[in-house]
Amino acid sequence: SAVISQKPSRDICQRGTSLTIQCQVDSQVTMMFWYRQQPGQSLTLIATANQGSEATYESGFVIDKFPISRPNLTFSTLTVSNMSPEDSSIYLCSVGAWTAAYEQYFGPGTRLTVT
Amino acid sequence: SQKIEQNSEALNIQEGKTATLTCNYTNYSPAYLQWYRQDPGRGPVFLLLIRENEKEKRKERLKVTFDTTLKQSLFHITASQPADSATYLCALARTDSGGGADGLTFGKGTHLIIQP
Repeated sequence: SAVISQKPSRDICQRGTSLTIQCQVDSQVTMMFWYRQQPGQSLTLIATANQGSEATYESGFVIDKFPISRPNLTFSTLTVSNMSPEDSSIYLCSVGAWTAAYEQYFGPGTRLTVT
Repeated sequence: SQKIEQNSEALNIQEGKTATLTCNYTNYSPAYLQWYRQDPGRGPVFLLLIRENEKEKRKERLKVTFDTTLKQSLFHITASQPADSATYLCALARTDSGGGADGLTFGKGTHLIIQP
C-alpha cells in the first residue's frame, strides 16, 4: 500500500488569490490523480499527472485554472488559481497500485474555503 | 452523458442485518467497477474490485455483484456492525490500462448507518 500526505489540510482563501496543494507519496509511483469533491457531490477527476509529461485534464478543467506539477515520482502539486467561492471544495490526490485489484490510494484531502 | 447513481443518500440498518447498496450506471461500458469506503474527513479507502466478466466477488463480510446487462452493481455487508457506518462509493474505470492507471468516475455515495 501507499501512504499519501497532503498539505495544507485546510485553508480559507480570499477570492482572486491562488493556493498550491502539495501531495507527497511514500513510494515511487507513475500515475497520480487529482480529484475534487464539492459539498454533497461525488469525487470528480480533475487531471492525471505522469512524471515527466504534461498533465492530462478532464473535460471542464483547464491548465490555466488548475496547473499541476509533477517534478518526481513521489510528489505533485495542484494550484487552484484566481479562486472564486465556487472553488470551495475538498481536493484529493491519489495514486494507482500495480496490483491485481487496481486499487487507488487517496490522501486525506485539502478542504478549501473561498470567501 | 455518463451517469452513476447510488440508490440512496442514506441507509439505516439494524446491527446484525445485511446492508445492500446499489450502484446503477448509464451511457457507460466500464472495464471494471470498484467500491470504496469514506469516513468523515478522510480520503476514500479501497474495498473491492469486480471486472466486467465477473459476476460476484467476496471479501470477508463483503460481497459485490456486477450485472452488465442491468448496468448495476450491488454491494452487501453481512452481519453489519456499527463500525461499518460510513459513506460507500462506487467507482467505474473507463478503460483497463492496468495497474491502477485509470482515472475513476465516482457515484455520490450512500451514507450507511448501522444502529446498535
